[in-house]
Amino acid sequence: EAQVTQNPRYLITVTGKKLTVTCSQNMNHEYMSWYRQDPGLGLRQIYYSMNVEVTDKGDVPEGYKVSRKEKRNFPLILESPSPNQTSLYFCASSSGLAGFQETQYFGPGTRLLVL
Amino acid sequence: DAKTTQPPSMDCAEGRAANLPCNHSTISGNEYVYWYRQIHSQGPQYIIHGLKNNETNEMASLIITEDRKSSTLILPHATLRDTAVYYCIVRAHRGGSNYKLTFGKGTLLTVNP
Repeated sequence: EAQVTQNPRYLITVTGKKLTVTCSQNMNHEYMSWYRQDPGLGLRQIYYSMNVEVTDKGDVPEGYKVSRKEKRNFPLILESPSPNQTSLYFCASSSGLAGFQETQYFGPGTRLLVL
Repeated sequence: DAKTTQPPSMDCAEGRAANLPCNHSTISGNEYVYWYRQIHSQGPQYIIHGLKNNETNEMASLIITEDRKSSTLILPHATLRDTAVYYCIVRAHRGGSNYKLTFGKGTLLTVNP
């Protein structure tokens, strides 16, 4: 089954304790992206990747890092989490094929609470 | 990307057709209309997209007016599981660039038994 998976689904942590949220897709998609969703602010893009070793900032990249060493994985790293990073996080992927780039598949979400 | 306007909420009876409108009066000729939905706190789900012609797939139908200034998403036989926030997104296909989706506030569709 074609899917985007994220782990963990729920995470409670403390300020400053490094964490990684994993994202993996099994569709051989070139494009992957991370969003965060907050009440009243909608979904905002954090980082995106056009292909392996190609990443770039989205609208709200501060406090986050990403890497794309393999096509299927796109982990989101919070080196020193702060309470304002408490949010619902979604990973998404797209084939990048002409005419289908905008059809994105989203993961189930990771709910993060930073105390 | 063109701005879209959707009603904040709508109700529909189970088994009936749900017609969700979207206004995109400033749409450009190369911009597509996309619909996604988000069931409570789950990841957004792609539904359908179109440029000029009406489109239908296993989930829904998309009707785009001739002047392309508005569109309607039709769920032909709504079920309780269709209760979700529906987002209408307009954007051009840009090869080789960030495929970021800009979600507005959408329409909360509530399907009632």
